[in-house]
Amino acid sequence: NAGVTQTPKFRVLKTGQSMTLLCAQDMNHEYMYWYRQDPGMGLRLIHYSVGEGTTAKGEVPDGYNVSRLKKQNFLLGLESAAPSQTSVYFCASSYLTGLVGQPQHFGDGTRLSIL
Amino acid sequence: QQQVKQSPQSLIVQKGGISIINCAYENTAFDYFPWYQQFPGKGPALLIAIRPDVSEKKEGRFTISFNKSAKQFSLHIMDSQPGDSATYFCAASGSARQLTFGSGTQLTVLP
Repeated sequence: NAGVTQTPKFRVLKTGQSMTLLCAQDMNHEYMYWYRQDPGMGLRLIHYSVGEGTTAKGEVPDGYNVSRLKKQNFLLGLESAAPSQTSVYFCASSYLTGLVGQPQHFGDGTRLSIL
Repeated sequence: QQQVKQSPQSLIVQKGGISIINCAYENTAFDYFPWYQQFPGKGPALLIAIRPDVSEKKEGRFTISFNKSAKQFSLHIMDSQPGDSATYFCAASGSARQLTFGSGTQLTVLP
């Protein structure tokens, strides 16, 4: 049981390049999330998904796209990378229930540098 | 707009001491308040959480105190240990189940 797995762990891009970050979870969670973590700013929600085939914008969605073609995978894309997108990206997942407060389970992050 | 404000930014405590981290929120629709612990190179992990119908929740050495009228909540770590050295994030969510995080507190417990 791996939990939430993110690939790659590290990546360096040049401005204008594109890439896709992959998140996979094996807990059969309905909800999946992408965050970015920057010093002094905590974690900010980029996009999230409440189920296969659905996505929604979070707090900082500009410059990113996402897709959830399979329940266990959530992809984050950068079409034209900018230096402002240098960050640590975290994926998380959680159950959908009628109860408030299901914990989110996080991966170990992707460290992305854009030159 | 920062909806969850966290302080202090960094905290240094002697082994055996009490670590206290404070958070304040603005959105009265929030109804779930978790704390996450993050070690270097790892993702955050849920430490303890509280709902606003109780004023305190304790799990081992970790206690959340919640003041609904003041819209504030805090994490107390009793008998702090060097292994508690990490970054701590408070968070809040409402019916949409989206977490809004505080800016984080880097805790260092000196041996």
